[in-house]
Amino acid sequence: EVQVVESGGGLVQPGGSLRLSCVTSGFSFSSDWMSWVRQAPGKGLEWVANIREDGSAKYYVDSVKGRFTISRDNAKNSLYLQMGSLRADDTAVYYCTSVDGYWGQGTLVTVSS
Amino acid sequence: DIQMTQSPSSLTASIGDRVNITCRASQGIRKELGWYQQKPGQAPKRLIYAASSLQSGVPSRFSGSGSGTEFTLTISSLQPEDFATYYCLQHNNYFSFGQGTKLEIK
Repeated sequence: EVQVVESGGGLVQPGGSLRLSCVTSGFSFSSDWMSWVRQAPGKGLEWVANIREDGSAKYYVDSVKGRFTISRDNAKNSLYLQMGSLRADDTAVYYCTSVDGYWGQGTLVTVSS
Repeated sequence: DIQMTQSPSSLTASIGDRVNITCRASQGIRKELGWYQQKPGQAPKRLIYAASSLQSGVPSRFSGSGSGTEFTLTISSLQPEDFATYYCLQHNNYFSFGQGTKLEIK
C-alpha cells in the first residue's frame, strides 16, 4: 500500500521559517521526480517545486524562488521543503506528490501575525 | 512558462449526463498531461495520465483525449460521486495546473 504523509505545517509569523517533511512508502521513491503543490484556502492548485530522482535538478515557481528549498533523502524515502521569508500569501495546504500520481493528505501552513 | 487554460470554470449537469472538460496549453506539451479530481477536504486524485491512460482503479466512464495543445476529459455517464472539482496538470515544462472546473449537480 502506498503511503505519503506530510508533516511540519503550522502557524508562523510573517518573515518566519518552516520545514515541511514528507515520508513515503509503497512505491519506488528513489526512481520518481517529486513535487510540492499547494492550495490556498478556497483556491486552485499551484505547483511549488520539483526535484529530480537523484536531487541533481530542482525547479521552483517564480513566487518562491530564493525563499524555498526542496530536497530529498532517498535512503529515508523522504522529501522536504524548507520555507523562509514566509508571507501571508504562502498560506495554504501543502501537498507532497510523485510523478506517478501519489499524493499525501497535505499539511496546512498559516502565515499570520 | 506554459499556461493551461481550462474550461468551463463551472458546470452544472445531471446524473447520467455526458460531460466534457477541456484544457488548452499555451504551447505544445505532447501528451504530458494528467487529469485530477478533488473533493472538498480531500487531496487530489489522479484519474488520467499521459493524456489518455486510465489510472488503475478509476472507473471506465472517465476518459481522456488529445495531444499537443488541446486536451479533453470526458465523463460518459455522470454518477453522484463524480460531483467534484477537476484539474488538468501539464508536466512537459515544469508543472502547471488549469484553473479547475467545478462540476455541480443540476
